[in-house]
Amino acid sequence: DAGVIQSPRHEVTEMGQEVTLRCKPISGHDYLFWYRQTMMRGLELLIYFNNNVPIDDSGMPEDRFSAKMPNASFSTLKIQPSEPRDSAVYFCASSPGQGVSGANVLTFGAGSRLTVL
Amino acid sequence: RKEVEQDPGPFNVPEGATVAFNCTYSNSASQSFFWYRQDCRKEPKLLMSVYSSGNEDGRFTAQLNRASQYISLLIRDSKLSDSATYLCVVNIYTGTASKLTFGTGTRLQVTL
Repeated sequence: DAGVIQSPRHEVTEMGQEVTLRCKPISGHDYLFWYRQTMMRGLELLIYFNNNVPIDDSGMPEDRFSAKMPNASFSTLKIQPSEPRDSAVYFCASSPGQGVSGANVLTFGAGSRLTVL
Repeated sequence: RKEVEQDPGPFNVPEGATVAFNCTYSNSASQSFFWYRQDCRKEPKLLMSVYSSGNEDGRFTAQLNRASQYISLLIRDSKLSDSATYLCVVNIYTGTASKLTFGTGTRLQVTL
């Protein structure tokens, strides 16, 4: 398996532009997570899906952020409009279900480094 | 109070030294625990799960203390290649939702 695949790896955009980040999880994994990492705040959970259904989006910072998972092999995280404070590394991770403990070991993608000017 | 807290470090140790990190968590309903390692400008990768009885993987030993709500990671005979940030992760599963929360990490620098 190729692991979790994210694109783009790097994106530089101007304030106000729409940004779309993409993720392909590992085949067969039931859970998909989106995290954001900054020096100041570390890794923050934005949203996660179980079997393509959003379960907890309480970490999404505001309405400018949205995430979708139209099928088991693809998810997007969209920021519209983007702002300089959105600059961060965005990680997608997937995990197999583990019955009574839910999601378990996470496998991360290489991340998408976003810079908003 | 943060859900998962770690000393950010850095911990600067010479090669061959033993070093230990602690991580505290606030939710007593936390069910599973992990240590991840993150190299500079890379993604986090699982280092080891943490079991109630404690577990060892080569030079690495993880311990869980539920009463005091902390987990620890001990690295023996440190290598230069151990230099990285070590992230503590706590999982809370409610039956319908599984939330994995990361600490901000402890940076380790092993020197000659």
